[in-house]
Amino acid sequence: QQQVKQSPQSLIVQKGGISIINCAYENTAFDYFPWYQQFPGKGPALLIAIRPDVSEKKEGRFTISFNKSAKQFSLHIMDSQPGDSATYFCAAAVTGANSKLTFGKGITLSVRP
Amino acid sequence: DAGVTQSPTHLIKTRGQQVTLRCSPISGHKSVSWYQQVLGQGPQFIFQYYEKEERGRGNFPDRFSARQFPNYSSELNVNALLLGDSALYLCASSPDRNYGYTFGSGTRLTVV
Repeated sequence: QQQVKQSPQSLIVQKGGISIINCAYENTAFDYFPWYQQFPGKGPALLIAIRPDVSEKKEGRFTISFNKSAKQFSLHIMDSQPGDSATYFCAAAVTGANSKLTFGKGITLSVRP
Repeated sequence: DAGVTQSPTHLIKTRGQQVTLRCSPISGHKSVSWYQQVLGQGPQFIFQYYEKEERGRGNFPDRFSARQFPNYSSELNVNALLLGDSALYLCASSPDRNYGYTFGSGTRLTVV
């Protein structure tokens, strides 16, 4: 049973466009929702994270939108650049006990020049 | 500041062998977690250690074990290697058990 599902599976966006990646979760006990960016040969790097008491969080060109009732959250990348081309993972965790991160399968974003 | 460092970066082992992977957390971070990332998939949780005690274990067989040392560095051991153990093994550290995990670049294990 996949607890965190990402869509789409891959995404191609033109430079300067908006990249939107969606994530749905099943476990209502999740209370921490980060997005990670991974380049080939590297470990995942934390981009931005949100708690369920906030509906939106923005950091630079990256915005998380959170919909608790729909059990969904999304990552918006504004003014997408070729350097943003990477694999993006959403994740979720129940903080407190062991706070293990449950990751989605990831999506590959390609930003065309 | 140095990030999370893992060694070795690449490793090739034969089926049935044993392997030890090492992780040094960011200075001041007391929590270390291990994840397995199979090609094309998201990382899967293996273990979390906090203050040298195991605080969580994922759905992995007993062939996988780990420990955390007094300086908060950690080792992941895998016995009786199978072809399916081939993956990128990631270590992540955090100041506490809850937020802001920073991942290392991983150890690429290939079992032949």
